[in-house]
Amino acid sequence: AQSVTQLGSHVSVSEGALVLLRCNYSSSVPPYLFWYVQYPNQGLQLLLKYTTGATLVKGINGFEAEFKKSETSFHLTKPSAHMSDAAEYFCAVSKSGGSYIPTFGRGTSLIVHP
Amino acid sequence: GAGVSQSPSNKVTEKGKDVELRCDPISGHTALYWYRQSLGQGLEFLIYFQGNSAPDKSGLPSDRFSAERTGGSVSTLTIQRTQQEDSAVYLCASSANRDAVYAGELFFGEGSRLTVL
Repeated sequence: AQSVTQLGSHVSVSEGALVLLRCNYSSSVPPYLFWYVQYPNQGLQLLLKYTTGATLVKGINGFEAEFKKSETSFHLTKPSAHMSDAAEYFCAVSKSGGSYIPTFGRGTSLIVHP
Repeated sequence: GAGVSQSPSNKVTEKGKDVELRCDPISGHTALYWYRQSLGQGLEFLIYFQGNSAPDKSGLPSDRFSAERTGGSVSTLTIQRTQQEDSAVYLCASSANRDAVYAGELFFGEGSRLTVL
């Protein structure tokens, strides 16, 4: 079985501040990990992914995430928040049990204050 | 259009009625998924189609839910005898091929919001 826990349903930051969205996973095998973003009135889109290789992965719009096996974490960060980053962010895991169908977390709403 | 298209975008129905939700994936994509997003919940997997293989129906919550994919393209999710707990946003996604599936490269539609009164 595989699962994802996103800590905090809402995260609020000031424009220019560090963004940190937390994700912890549970998987019986080395996982594939993903972050998806959903902007208002749009479908989810893939932000970044970790499958194999380098544990620090970079995505679109300056976001990055680091796979830490010892902590079973895949936190999403961005050094400086922009107003346009306000969206819903979903962490997902796949590959456990031979299934590549992603299991998603509950999502974290990022609020950016001017 | 070039993206995943879903219809209707909003559907209000009465308890006990049947509803059909449609998904038109990106042209040429072999994989298609249905997820459900309830208020305050994450995305709940419902069903997965890959090419001509038998669909993975392991996420369907009850026998009131069914889905089909005709000609390897358009998919219809049917909910019979709707209940209030079926109220949610139903999301469809597609992936280009098995490699894209493995890589988690899903393209989502904007969803169909279902409200059961």
